[in-house]
Amino acid sequence: EVQLVESGGGLVQPGGSLRLSCAASGFTFTDYYMDWVRQAPGKGLEWVGRTRNKPSRYTTEYAASVRGRFTVSRDDSSSSVFLQMNSLKTEDTAVYYCARGAYCNGGFCPDNFAYWGRGTLVTVSS
Amino acid sequence: DIQMTQSPSSLSASVGDRVTITCRASQDISNYLAWYQQKPGKAPKSLISAASSLQSGVPSKFSGSGSGTDFTLTISSLQPEDIATYYCQQYKSYPLTFGGGTKVEIK
Repeated sequence: EVQLVESGGGLVQPGGSLRLSCAASGFTFTDYYMDWVRQAPGKGLEWVGRTRNKPSRYTTEYAASVRGRFTVSRDDSSSSVFLQMNSLKTEDTAVYYCARGAYCNGGFCPDNFAYWGRGTLVTVSS
Repeated sequence: DIQMTQSPSSLSASVGDRVTITCRASQDISNYLAWYQQKPGKAPKSLISAASSLQSGVPSKFSGSGSGTDFTLTISSLQPEDIATYYCQQYKSYPLTFGGGTKVEIK
């Protein structure tokens, strides 16, 4: 059974930093891209960023709203993906979901988010 | 960026009704289109990928169609357990983008 479990959320002041983690199990982690998607209170879904896998050279992609402030990374040895969030703003307040992206052995690998974690709440407030 | 526009933003229908939600992309995305269901307080759940491929375990009352810029999600017979917000998402190009959502309620 595929499981994605996020942790690390909490209350942080504007300008602060927070690191989210997502522990994955139930599938071959190294075969997949991994993503972060967020949802502000009462709002829709917003894709945040992606880490590709080793065949795709661990490259990353980001939404414009977080580029330069957030970093997505992964540790294949522990089947974990991380979201380092710096220079946090009040508008970053949201539930952050970890999602499994595409299965990929290199090249163009489009796919949806077949599995999602339960999410972790990040609140940015003074 | 590719903009995804869903309509309606909300709808109210009776149990047993056929419900259709539309999603329009601001440019051609071929069939790189997914649909998700999100119940209150829960994580999104994948329903359909590649515009019309039902994910494993999803009831056959859900179906998707379309290609290019215009897509639809249909629930053939609405049931109380289908009350949720439904989102479309394109994965043709970055940034990956979602529609604004359609909230489905029972009349």
